Amino acid sequence: DSGVTQTPKHLITATGQRVTLRCSPRSGDLSVYWYQQSLDQGLQFLIQYYNGEERAKGNILERFSAQQFPDLHSELNLSSLELGDSALYFCASSPLAGGNTGELFFGEGSRLTVL
Amino acid sequence: AQSVSQHNHHVILSEAASLELGCNYSYGGTVNLFWYVQYPGQHLQLLLKYFSGDPLVKGIKGFEAEFIKSKFSFNLRKPSVQWSDTAEYFCAVNARAAGNKLTFGGGTRVLVKP
Repeated sequence: DSGVTQTPKHLITATGQRVTLRCSPRSGDLSVYWYQQSLDQGLQFLIQYYNGEERAKGNILERFSAQQFPDLHSELNLSSLELGDSALYFCASSPLAGGNTGELFFGEGSRLTVL
Repeated sequence: AQSVSQHNHHVILSEAASLELGCNYSYGGTVNLFWYVQYPGQHLQLLLKYFSGDPLVKGIKGFEAEFIKSKFSFNLRKPSVQWSDTAEYFCAVNARAAGNKLTFGGGTRVLVKP
């Protein structure tokens, strides 16, 4: 158990819909990262938050957005869903904003299926 | 931009065989290097990491990796695998100058036959 909690574990929805994925980081970790894992793209970094503020942005679509709340949990919002958005979405946390360790602790992921 | 290449997408081997997974990265600056493992149905877990010092790094479960700076490589090895090593293995790199943003390779699925 990494200490990072993600909900829901599985989600099935239709094209055009909107979903919200939730992540609670390890106790004390201020940084939250979102990654998308798909068969054709591998593990892609989406976005990072540190203590409520966006810190780094990766390959995140405009239809996707995220935020980190004062209690440090984070939500990833996916809207106007397309078939290609079907993937495993991982959240990870770290105690650092940046720096030089790079070690992340991953949740078990939320598997999204868009039909 | 950083990129990480794992040349083997799938590896099948028998128990007690030796394992070596290749990883190359393209970033030219100072880097931190990692290997993560994802067992079936589980989250990614850190196997080992390299920041500086001895380029031969020992991790959990008998794994080790060697950083060869001149070759931009960080290959993972295990002398004798077990069935329980069946998993997907990911190499990852982040550059200190770019902050705490990990870039992952495409992963290598390893199947160990009993």
